[in-house]
Amino acid sequence: DTGVSQDPRHKITKRGQNVTFRCDPISEHNRLYWYRQTLGQGPEFLTYFQNEAQLEKSRLLSDRFSAERPKGSFSTLEIQRTEQGDSAMYLCASTRLASHNEQFFGPGTRLTVL
Amino acid sequence: GDSVTQMEGPVTLSEEACLTINCTYTATGYPSLFWYVQYPGEGLQLLLKATKADDKGSNKGFEATYRKETTSFHLEKGSVQVSDSAVYFCALSGGAEQGAQKLVFGQGTRLTINP
Repeated sequence: DTGVSQDPRHKITKRGQNVTFRCDPISEHNRLYWYRQTLGQGPEFLTYFQNEAQLEKSRLLSDRFSAERPKGSFSTLEIQRTEQGDSAMYLCASTRLASHNEQFFGPGTRLTVL
Repeated sequence: GDSVTQMEGPVTLSEEACLTINCTYTATGYPSLFWYVQYPGEGLQLLLKATKADDKGSNKGFEATYRKETTSFHLEKGSVQVSDSAVYFCALSGGAEQGAQKLVFGQGTRLTINP
């Protein structure tokens, strides 16, 4: 069990640029989640996948955000035309079916939009 | 919709003091309840969980009991250590409403333990 990994750990970009983050879940985990955490707040749900199917998207996920999990393994989260309000920690988590949704989190990608 | 309300922080205690961090929730159905901990510079780690009413989750000396009658899941520890300094998040999952697969988090409680 190597844990959930995320890349990059930090990203600084200028407003209007596109960014892409990667998440590698624990290998036997079917479900993969993306959350966003701002300073002093708890994580907020963005979207989740079961295998390669994206089953739910939060209203927080504007049209500028897109996520994929093409082969049911790793996932990418892309933000187009970044805005300063997108600055946050982006967290990925994974879990097995029938585990009472016990989610294991990666270290996160900290995005700073200048 | 489902929600979690945590005791506001920050909380500062001396080593060996007793700790209680309050957590109450609103959910339809029968959610699972969790406490996650975030140590400085690290990611979220599951501390303990309870999946049905009256279950007690425990780990590293921490305990929390799933109380359906009071919709609460308070985190307790009898004697805290400096190494317990962290941010603690209460969360739920699996309420009956749509979107039950996500975790819904409280806002977090920052705990500082002084030697």
